[in-house]
Amino acid sequence: QVQLQESGPGLMKPSQTLSLTCTVSGEAINGGGYYWSWIRQLPGKGLEWIGYIYYSGSAHYNPSLQGRVSTSVDTSGNRFSLKLNSVTAADTAVYFCARVRGVLPYYFYGVDVWGQGATVTVSS
Amino acid sequence: QSVLTQPPSMSAAPGQKVTISCSGSSSNIGKNSVSWYQHVPGTAPKLLIYDNHKRPSGIPDRFSGSKSGTSATLDITGLQTGDEADYHCGTWDTSLSAVVFGGGTKLTVL
Repeated sequence: QVQLQESGPGLMKPSQTLSLTCTVSGEAINGGGYYWSWIRQLPGKGLEWIGYIYYSGSAHYNPSLQGRVSTSVDTSGNRFSLKLNSVTAADTAVYFCARVRGVLPYYFYGVDVWGQGATVTVSS
Repeated sequence: QSVLTQPPSMSAAPGQKVTISCSGSSSNIGKNSVSWYQHVPGTAPKLLIYDNHKRPSGIPDRFSGSKSGTSATLDITGLQTGDEADYHCGTWDTSLSAVVFGGGTKLTVL
């Protein structure tokens, strides 16, 4: 059974860089066929897709966050990571790592595995 | 403001049926498959429906989905108190080149 677990700081100051890591168990991240993704939920709001990275390193991001976000994959450690630069209070959210299935952009199956979520608070 | 539109909240009694709507546009629901998620805050969201109407293994047939044009619906029959959760719809938006979600619907089972 595939499981995802986020790790990272819970509290940050404005202008810092948010770094989160997602450790994957039960599945080889370089097996192909999946898009390893980050999704967040702002307080009282719906879900917002941040971006995905394929095991090859190819990545794609939400245009609304383009320029501030980057992702990387560590196939030997079976994990992938998110970096979000210049955070503000508006980036306070629960951050989920997740597995997206499909053949993007042609076919979106859905997000079939999610982590429990990591709460990140940005405050001075 | 979410790209997909859902009612913020709904409520129904145990045993009843509820229909949650998800409205989009020709660049998202009109072109791509819709999926639905159940999320109890503090836990990992769960995929309920993919490809508009298909259920992953282990999801009871009380949950069903459909799509017509630029809208989709999630039906839950035989409501149980354990169904209390937030429900989110999602799809790919071809114009935005991004996964998009609805704002979520908080379901209360009275």
